[in-house]
Amino acid sequence: NAGVTQTPKFRVLKTGQSMTLLCAQDMNHEYMYWYRQDPGMGLRLIHYSVGEGTTAKGEVPDGYNVSRLKKQNFLLGLESAAPSQTSVYFCASRPTTEFEAFFGQGTRLTVV
Amino acid sequence: GDSVTQMEGPVTLSEEAFLTINCTYTATGYPSLFWYVQYPGEGLQLLLKATKADDKGSNKGFEATYRKETTSFHLEKGSVQVSDSAVYFCALSPSGAGSYQLTFGKGTKLSVIP
Repeated sequence: NAGVTQTPKFRVLKTGQSMTLLCAQDMNHEYMYWYRQDPGMGLRLIHYSVGEGTTAKGEVPDGYNVSRLKKQNFLLGLESAAPSQTSVYFCASRPTTEFEAFFGQGTRLTVV
Repeated sequence: GDSVTQMEGPVTLSEEAFLTINCTYTATGYPSLFWYVQYPGEGLQLLLKATKADDKGSNKGFEATYRKETTSFHLEKGSVQVSDSAVYFCALSPSGAGSYQLTFGKGTKLSVIP
């Protein structure tokens, strides 16, 4: 049982480059989330989705876009990476009827 | 909006010491409360939860009681081990059917030394 899988685990980008982070869950969860984790800031919500085909902005959405074309996948895109986007990114999913969220292992992104 | 405040770390304890990590929250109604743990190099995983006032969540020797009167959910463990070294996050989810929100505190790093 894979749970929540994030791809890639590590990445270094140059300023201005673009990339997509992939989150895949095999638990048929409706809700999916993208967070970023920075020292002293805890977890901050970037975007979330309450179902296939839906997305919404979280606390810190600027500079990111997301898509949820399939229920099991939630993609996070950076169109033009900036050093301020250096962070560890976590994806999570949750069913509608339970409160426990399941997290991926994280993606460590460095923008130079 | 909803918010969670945890004691700032880092916290360093000797093995077998008593642990308390304070957590207070601001929310309307009766949110569900959680403690998540993040071991080095890993994602977060649920440690324990409480869904109504006066409930006590417990797991792996950790406990936390949902105190509505003080809006608190402090994490405690009677005797910590080196393997408990991790970052601990307090979190809440608002009450109500279909609530999707999950708000985290900033995390408290715990280091346990032999």
